Amino acid sequence: AQSVTQPDIHITVSEGASLELRCNYSYGATPYLFWYVQSPGQGLQLLLKYFSGDTLVQGIKGFEAEFKRSQSSFNLRKPSVHWSDAAEYFCAVGEQYSTLTFGKGTMLLVSP
Amino acid sequence: NAGVTQTPKFQVLKTGQSMTLQCAQDMNHNSMYWYRQDPGMGLRLIYYSASEGTTDKGEVPNGYNVSRLNKREFSLRLESAAPSQTSVYFCASSVGGFRVSYNEQFFGPGTRLTVL
Repeated sequence: AQSVTQPDIHITVSEGASLELRCNYSYGATPYLFWYVQSPGQGLQLLLKYFSGDTLVQGIKGFEAEFKRSQSSFNLRKPSVHWSDAAEYFCAVGEQYSTLTFGKGTMLLVSP
Repeated sequence: NAGVTQTPKFQVLKTGQSMTLQCAQDMNHNSMYWYRQDPGMGLRLIYYSASEGTTDKGEVPNGYNVSRLNKREFSLRLESAAPSQTSVYFCASSVGGFRVSYNEQFFGPGTRLTVL
């Protein structure tokens, strides 16, 4: 069965600093990989997704993620964090004939 | 377009009471889902509907029932609420071909349910 691990429950980053959120998955074939963001009191919004092709994918709000098959990872990055990026971030993995599996989330705190 | 709407936004129940959470989407999506979100647990799938007229169990279906009323609406029912069902419930929809999970899911704002 597929699984997703987000090792960091909380991360604090200074405004203007770079960000990397980690995601590792367990899956047999090429997975479909997603990052969603949840602002306080809101539903989830898709940031970006990877299915195939270029392993570096660009998303909304200046985010990008890199698929590394050898490390079973799909880490989310942003070069310069803004206070409005404070939210909870979820990595999710799917396959063609299954439901999505979500990680437990990483809460991003942005300090001034 | 409103996207995915959920009612109510908040609800407090006593143990043993029943209630129905409503969800509607106006994006002409074929697939709809119900998740629950608990602290430190991420999102867990309760039930889903790949298309109108079909429903299937997800990871945590016990204590819940669902109805796909029509293409737009997908309701979640708690027949006899328990404190363990205290959670935030999210409805989501996607364009279709549910088992092709590369379709983006669009989420509603959630329902915060407390069972005393």
